[in-house]
Parts: sequence; structure tokens; C-alpha cells
Amino acid sequence: AQTVTQSQPEMSVQEAETVTLSCTYDTSESDYYLFWYKQPPSRQMILVIRQEAYKQQNATENRFSVNFQKAAKSFSLKISDSQLGDAAMYFCAYNKRDDKIIFGKGTRLHILP
Amino acid sequence: DTEVTQTPKHLVMGMTNKKSLKCEQHMGHRAMYWYKQKAKKPPELMFVYSYEKLSINESVPSRFSPECPNSSLLNLHLHALQPEDSALYLCASSQDRGTGVGQPQHFGDGTRLSIL
Repeated sequence: AQTVTQSQPEMSVQEAETVTLSCTYDTSESDYYLFWYKQPPSRQMILVIRQEAYKQQNATENRFSVNFQKAAKSFSLKISDSQLGDAAMYFCAYNKRDDKIIFGKGTRLHILP
Repeated sequence: DTEVTQTPKHLVMGMTNKKSLKCEQHMGHRAMYWYKQKAKKPPELMFVYSYEKLSINESVPSRFSPECPNSSLLNLHLHALQPEDSALYLCASSQDRGTGVGQPQHFGDGTRLSIL
């Protein structure tokens, strides 16, 4: 069975600094998709970034980028120039075609002014 | 602005009440999902509808009854709930399931449900 592990329950970063959230997963599949979702206190789950496993190039969305290491089954999220609005719970997620999304337990990110 | 709209935002009900949660999307998505989320936990999948047909039921108790009247609407009917059912209920939609692309799910703001 596929699993997603986020080993950091909480993290803090100074505003304007860079922070990296780690995620590892376990799968025997070669074709799958990985996501990072953000859930601020407002409750809505917001898609931050998506990575297709067949693509070697790391996905980037403005200040958010990933370090995808397929062989190591690692999918970390880097947030550059952290802003107060980045404070939220971040969930790493795995999805295989035709199957449900599997979420990690989440990392709560605090931004220190 | 969220593209998936859930109503109500908050709901308090007794264990003998019957209520419904509603979800609506106008993105033309053909897959819709119900999740239950407890505090500080990831969402847990409850039901998946694909092309208005129930495709996944994650062994959810029968006191939760989903309904998909059309491709834009998803309801969750509640009856005789227990205090442990208090949680945030999230609705999501995606373009499709099984089209060969890992379709991201778009979530609503959720309904905060409290059972007295």
C-alpha cells in the first residue's frame, strides 16, 4: 500500500527567509502524481504545486518549488521569501491514476515576523 | 474566491436531527468527493462520485448518505449522527478520474459540523 510521510509536525521560519518541508512516500508504481496542498486557518485546501513522476524537471510556482527525487521517493517543498500569508498546514499528497489521493499527516508552518 | 461552494459553513445539530450538506461546482468537473477532517489531521476520503455515479464508498456508516443530483451538485444527507462525527466536512471536485493525468482536486471551504 502506498504511504506518505511528513516527518516534521511543525516548523517555524523567519519572514523573508527560505524553508523546506520534507515528504517521503512509498510506492511500487512508476507512474503517479505528487501534490502539495496548503490549508490556512480559513480551512480551504489550496493546491500549491503538482509534480508528475515521469517528469525529471522539478515543478516551480513563483516562490514555491519542489525537489523531486524519484529514486529516493522524496518530494520536498521549498518556500522562498516566506510571507506571513504562508502560515498554514501543508499536506503532501500522492495520487495514482484511477485511485484516491493519499495525504501525509501534515506540517504546520509558522512564519515569525 | 473558491470555485467549489459549500453550504452551510457551520452546522450544529442534535443526534436525532436530519440535515444535509450541499456542494456545488461550475467548473465542468465530472468527479466529486466528500472528505471528513478532524482537527490537526489530514482529510479522510468518504465518497467519490464519477459521472454522477458512486464509485468509491470508504466503508462510511449508513448515517451518512451521499447524493449526486447532477454533475454540478453533491449532497451529503445526515441522520442520527454521533458526537464523534463532529468534524470539518470538505467537498472537492476534479476534472475526471482515470483520464491519464493526475487531476488536482479543488476543495471548498468546508462545513464545520458539531453534534450535540
